[in-house]
Formats: sequence, structure tokens, C-alpha cells
Amino acid sequence: TQLLEQSPQFLSIQEGENLTVYCNSSSVFSSLQWYRQEPGEGPVLLVTVVTGGEVKKLKRLTFQFGDARKDSSLHITAAQPGDTGLYLCAGHNNNDMRFGAGTRLTVKP
Amino acid sequence: NAGVMQNPRHLVRRRGQEARLRCSPMKGHSHVYWYRQLPEEGLKFMVYLQKENIIDESGMPKERFSAEFPKEGPSILRIQQVVRGDSAAYFCASSPSRSSNTEAFFGQGTRLTVV
Repeated sequence: TQLLEQSPQFLSIQEGENLTVYCNSSSVFSSLQWYRQEPGEGPVLLVTVVTGGEVKKLKRLTFQFGDARKDSSLHITAAQPGDTGLYLCAGHNNNDMRFGAGTRLTVKP
Repeated sequence: NAGVMQNPRHLVRRRGQEARLRCSPMKGHSHVYWYRQLPEEGLKFMVYLQKENIIDESGMPKERFSAEFPKEGPSILRIQQVVRGDSAAYFCASSPSRSSNTEAFFGQGTRLTVV
């Protein structure tokens, strides 16, 4: 059983479209991170959210942490082929850093 | 400051052999996490170590798998008597502290193939 459920599991869209992916849990986290992983590489950190309700923007990416600190969303505006990759969320509590299974995004030109 | 270094990048072992995967954390990082990733899947937590201590090994199989992070040298994930199901990418990550806000930096992974 995944501690963190990510949806959708796979997403294929055309360049220029907008999309939102989700990371949900029944557990409360002290912080949550989003990572992006490209084929053959390790994950790279995109953002850390700490406060319930927090919104962070990174160019065309908008990250939101749920008010109850149990869930998060990642919204991408005007997706580009370079956004293609595996998006992973990771929840933190004390010693733990646990990952969801990821959303595999493909942006077609 | 070099990033997290994992070696080898690719490892092929026959069934029954031992696999040793190495992870050198970033300079100044004393916390290491090991994860396993199957094709088309996310990262599954295996073990969390600090220097000379195993903090959480709840994700690691009880048999054949072991991990260490000695005072000197890299962290080692050891898989004894490998089976085909052990084939996967194994990633390690390091961080400077146990703070929940701290970024974990990942290595490029070791891809283990058991033939």
C-alpha cells in the first residue's frame, strides 16, 4: 500500500495544454517535496512546501500544499516537450521521506 | 562539491552471486537513504542510515539484503544470492540533516540486472 497516492499514473498531452497532477495521503506531513526524474537519471528536487495552504510558483509550474498538509497538487501551464518526465511527490515526517509512485508525463510536440 | 556518486552505474550478476552497490554522499552529508525502482514505477523506500547507524530499515527485505554506512567510506547496499526479481534500479540520496525541509540529493542510480 502506497503511503502517498499520485494521480494520474500516466498523462499524455499536446504541447501548449495545461495539466494538474495530484498527490494524496491520509497522513499529515511536516513538509512535502516534488521531484522530477528523467530516464536514466536520479530525481531532482523542484520544490518544498511546508505550510498548509502554501502556494509556490516555479516559472510555469504551480505547487500547492493542502490546508491539512495531507495532499498537494502540481499545475503546469502551457506544457512543453521538455516537461516530459516522471513527477514524484515525497512526504516528510521525522526520519521518513517516502515517495509516491509518480505521474509519468509525456508532452507531445 | 561533487554530487552523490553511485557506482557502478550498471551491474550484471548471475543468479546466486552477490551484488555490492556503493553510494558516496555529498560532502558534509551524514544521512543516506536507499530506494529501489522497478521500470515504469516510483521509488520504494528501503533503508535510512546515518553514519555507523541504521535508523530505519523497514523497507528492506529481511533476508539477503543488508546496508551499512561506516564512519569512513561509502554506504554499501549488499544483496546476497541475487535472484531475477532483484533486477531494478537502486538509488541513494543524501542530506545534511534530518530536518524535514532539507533537500535530498540523488545519485544517478545503479541498474542491477540478474541473469
